Amino acid sequence: EAGVAQSPRYKIIEKRQSVAFWCNPISGHATLYWYQQILGQGPKLLIQFQNNGVVDDSQLPKDRFSAERLKGVDSTLKIQPAKLEDSAVYLCASSSGFGWGTDYEQYFGPGTRLTVT
Amino acid sequence: AQKITQTQPGMFVQEKEAVTLDCTYDTSDQSYGLFWYKQPSSGEMIFLIYQGSYDEQNATEGRYSLNFQKARKSANLVISASQLGDSAMYFCAMREGENAGGTSYGKLTFGQGTILTVHP
Repeated sequence: EAGVAQSPRYKIIEKRQSVAFWCNPISGHATLYWYQQILGQGPKLLIQFQNNGVVDDSQLPKDRFSAERLKGVDSTLKIQPAKLEDSAVYLCASSSGFGWGTDYEQYFGPGTRLTVT
Repeated sequence: AQKITQTQPGMFVQEKEAVTLDCTYDTSDQSYGLFWYKQPSSGEMIFLIYQGSYDEQNATEGRYSLNFQKARKSANLVISASQLGDSAMYFCAMREGENAGGTSYGKLTFGQGTILTVHP
């Protein structure tokens, strides 16, 4: 079974530029998560999708970040314009749903490392 | 207040020895789940072990066990017989709002992590 795919793996941009990250979850997984992991910290949830609907985006900086999951499969996370503090690893995860115990374990992709200069 | 606290920025252990990584949590929910993940230098988060708040026995998965002390709100990870490949960052995480037979949104709140280095 193929895992969660993300691209690009690395991206360097200047501040005020825009950038987009792509995630392809495990086939059949209805729930998709985007996490931001700043160096030296644990991941922080930015947005959660259930199929193509948003379940939680309470920690997404909506003035500059946007995300979509068209057709309930692939997802794109965009930052426009980027700031220096957006430098981080962006992790995508998917699960078959959400609920009790490990029935809905989250599987993580390799992440995209963003550097904003 | 921090929901998940990992007080050990770094830990060192000799190969084949056991090591305990500390995790304390803060929640007012009665139903919650606690997770440990391993993050090697490649960056991917690897699920290790899960403990539900209503589980009476401590969880075990191979060389990993979770020392769950509910009253103290601690969920320490114990790795027995450490191997060189165990060198990585380890994260404790919590999922709140779980209900047996119900649903939770699945959101994980992570601690700051502990870097484990295994010496030969």
